[in-house]
Amino acid sequence: EILLTQSPDTLSLSPGERVTLSCRATLNIGSYLAWYQQKTGQPPRLLISGASRRATGVPDRFSGSGYGTDFTLTISRVEPEDCAVYYCHQYSDAPDTFGQGVKLEIK
Amino acid sequence: EVQLVQSAAEVKTPGESLKISCEASGYGFDNYWIGWVRQMPGKGLEWMGFIYPAENLIRYSPSFEGQVTISADRSINTAYLEWDGLKASDTAIYYCARRGRYGIRLLDWIDPWGQGTLVTVSS
Repeated sequence: EILLTQSPDTLSLSPGERVTLSCRATLNIGSYLAWYQQKTGQPPRLLISGASRRATGVPDRFSGSGYGTDFTLTISRVEPEDCAVYYCHQYSDAPDTFGQGVKLEIK
Repeated sequence: EVQLVQSAAEVKTPGESLKISCEASGYGFDNYWIGWVRQMPGKGLEWMGFIYPAENLIRYSPSFEGQVTISADRSINTAYLEWDGLKASDTAIYYCARRGRYGIRLLDWIDPWGQGTLVTVSS
């Protein structure tokens, strides 16, 4: 089973700041990585697939990059509505697995 | 619009059986993998298993094989998750989820997600 490790566990930023979330895989997963946003009391929402492809309706301040074992999700200018937990997800090998999540707080 | 609408929250006692449902609309139900993801209280996401309705193919995560049963009724575009003997440790939110792309490849991103069904198992 491929493990995904996200860092850091929690972030606290002010509106307008730039943030980069990291996701590292234990094996090469190519570009088979997705990112999801989960707000409190809501289901996850797809942000990024294929490591860098923004899903329909996702603001362009969200961007993804990486290949192989190291990936990042960047929010260029955080807004209060970005307060959520962010998960990465590998779908290269079964069973697909998720990172443990990063909690983003907005001051 | 693609939608996954799940059944309501359930409260059960240990040992009881349960079947929760997920009704899909807005796309061709038969040819997309649809399945279930668990989220225990305050925890992360765990892939449980998926079904490909057109061929009744079912794939379970090793962690959930033998613990639950996934099925689908193509006539009403509905997927199910079933337990035969609930445990307190089954208390969680269960999300219905569809794979992103049309076709028989199992592994893919997940989009969309259902609203979640909270299952509480307590004596």
